[in-house]
Amino acid sequence: AQRVTQPEKLLSVFKGAPVELKCNYSYSGSPELFWYVQYSRQRLQLLLRHISRESIKGFTADLNKGETSFHLKKPFAQEEDSAMYYCALRGGGSNYKLTFGKGTLLTVNP
Amino acid sequence: GAGVSQTPSNKVTEKGKYVELRCDPISGHTALYWYRQSLGQGPEFLIYFQGTGAADDSGLPNDRFFAVRPEGSVSTLKIQRTERGDSAVYLCASSLTGVDSPLHFGNGTRLTVT
Repeated sequence: AQRVTQPEKLLSVFKGAPVELKCNYSYSGSPELFWYVQYSRQRLQLLLRHISRESIKGFTADLNKGETSFHLKKPFAQEEDSAMYYCALRGGGSNYKLTFGKGTLLTVNP
Repeated sequence: GAGVSQTPSNKVTEKGKYVELRCDPISGHTALYWYRQSLGQGPEFLIYFQGTGAADDSGLPNDRFFAVRPEGSVSTLKIQRTERGDSAVYLCASSLTGVDSPLHFGNGTRLTVT
């Protein structure tokens, strides 16, 4: 079974502060990990995927297989980063299906 | 179209009624998904279509739920004898091939069963 855990429902930081949104997963094989973001009144959209190893909007995430984690980080948060963030996993056996965490609501205060 | 389109955006129905939710995927995308998002939860998988066929319907909660995609494009999610517990946002997503390609989500249909 595959499972994604986002331990923080809410995270509040000040503008310019570093931010880390935690994601842990459970999967026996080699997973593919994603971060999706939903801004207010917008649709869910892909932020980044671990196989791309890229930085999007200043965010990065590194897959740590030893700790089964895929935390999302940004060194200097901006107010426009305020949104709902979902970590998701796609397993090798059913590599079409995403399993999502419950999400973390990030609020960046001025 | 520019993205995945879902109609209606909101649907209020009475307990016991039948509802249909429509999804129009991105043109050319062969894979189509339905997810359900209850309050405070992440999206939960319902069903996956590859072309016209349901390749995986393991997420459908019971036999009151059914989905079709007769021509490999538009899909309809059908819920019979609705219950208050069916209240949620129903999300549709499409992807180019399904396997290894990113999902593009619609805005969702918010279903409220009174």
